[in-house]
Amino acid sequence: DGGITQSPKYLFRKEGQNVTLSCEQNLNHDAMYWYRQDPGQGLRLIYYSQIVNDFQKGDIAEGYSVSREKKESFPLTVTSAQKNPTAFYLCASTAWGTGPTGGYTFGSGTRLTVV
Amino acid sequence: QKEVEQDPGPLSVPEGAIVSLNCTYSNSAFQYFMWYRQYSRKGPELLMYTYSSGNKEDGRFTAQVDKSSKYISLFIRDSQPSDSATYLCASSETSGSRLTFGEGTQLTVNP
Repeated sequence: DGGITQSPKYLFRKEGQNVTLSCEQNLNHDAMYWYRQDPGQGLRLIYYSQIVNDFQKGDIAEGYSVSREKKESFPLTVTSAQKNPTAFYLCASTAWGTGPTGGYTFGSGTRLTVV
Repeated sequence: QKEVEQDPGPLSVPEGAIVSLNCTYSNSAFQYFMWYRQYSRKGPELLMYTYSSGNKEDGRFTAQVDKSSKYISLFIRDSQPSDSATYLCASSETSGSRLTFGEGTQLTVNP
């Protein structure tokens, strides 16, 4: 079945540590996105990529980094510079130019907790 | 000011009630409007979409967009406990462009 796989489902980070969240899709989608979800704040865009080897900052990119070496993969690294990383992280993808029927396909999310 | 605003609720209704969920937006360039449903600890799933102004119906769900007042609505008829979830509205300027989401409204339908 086609879809987006995020791993791990739960992740614990110590202070000062970098951690990487995995996002893999087999939908042949061009564009991929990372969102952060906090209670009462909805989804906020961290980074997005429309093609391989290219990505753009979203609204809250500070303290995060990404890469897009393969069409299927868009990993997110939460660096030690991100002071409040505890949140639910969602990866999404869409086929460029599919129109409104495409929408976004989301993964099941990774819950990151600082310990 | 956020580009898309949504009352976070929570909203609690009895089974069988008609539910009205609403968003407002400020970006006049928005043309595509979507509603996503998110169950607890899951990723959002696309529920409905509309292009420009108008209504769209799918079973018990009706999405409505009024571009003149920049108002987005989702109506749920004969609500069921399985409808209990967070509902997110989203808008974009062009097809395939980045979506801007509202905060989400948490809905509980009580049996």
